[in-house]
Amino acid sequence: DGGITQSPKYLFRKEGQNVTLSCEQNLNHDAMYWYRQDPGQGLRLIYYSQIVNDFQKGDIAEGYSVSREKKESFPLTVTSAQKNPTAFYLCASSIDNSRPNYGYTFGSGTRLTVV
Amino acid sequence: KNEVEQSPQNLTAQEGEFITINCSYSVGISALHWLQQHPGGGIVSLFMLSSGKKKHGRLIATINIQEKHSSLHITASHPRDSAVYICAADSNTGNQFYFGTGTSLTVIP
Repeated sequence: DGGITQSPKYLFRKEGQNVTLSCEQNLNHDAMYWYRQDPGQGLRLIYYSQIVNDFQKGDIAEGYSVSREKKESFPLTVTSAQKNPTAFYLCASSIDNSRPNYGYTFGSGTRLTVV
Repeated sequence: KNEVEQSPQNLTAQEGEFITINCSYSVGISALHWLQQHPGGGIVSLFMLSSGKKKHGRLIATINIQEKHSSLHITASHPRDSAVYICAADSNTGNQFYFGTGTSLTVIP
């Protein structure tokens, strides 16, 4: 079955460590997105990529980095510069980078806790 | 002010009740989405609307473009409908979604 796989589901890290969250899709979607979800807030866009080897900052990119070396993969690194990294992270993809609402699919999320 | 406002924030209903969740948005949109997030966190897309009304099983979504308002209705609610329902506006000005903060629904048997 096609879909988006995020791993791991739960992740614990010590403060000051970088951590990379995985997002893989086998939907042949062009565009991929990373969102952060905090209690009482809507999803906020961290980074998005419309095509391989290209990505754009979203609303809250500070303290995060991404790469898009392959169409199916869009890993997110939470760096030590991110002041409040504990959150729920969602990856998403869409069919066409010119029609982002088409075929929009979410992963199951990674809950990151920094201690 | 958020671009997308949902109400209510929390909703508890008895099994069988008719449920309505409202969404108002202030941006121009190409489409409006209703999403369902289960306790585990995964999100599934329920509806994508650009006009009128859509129905899927016991779920009905409507949108009024002039009033910038959408509603999600659940008929004959069931405990398995318990989830967070999120409204998302797909902006027509770029690659941008605006998300509501979600409505947490609990259906009691």
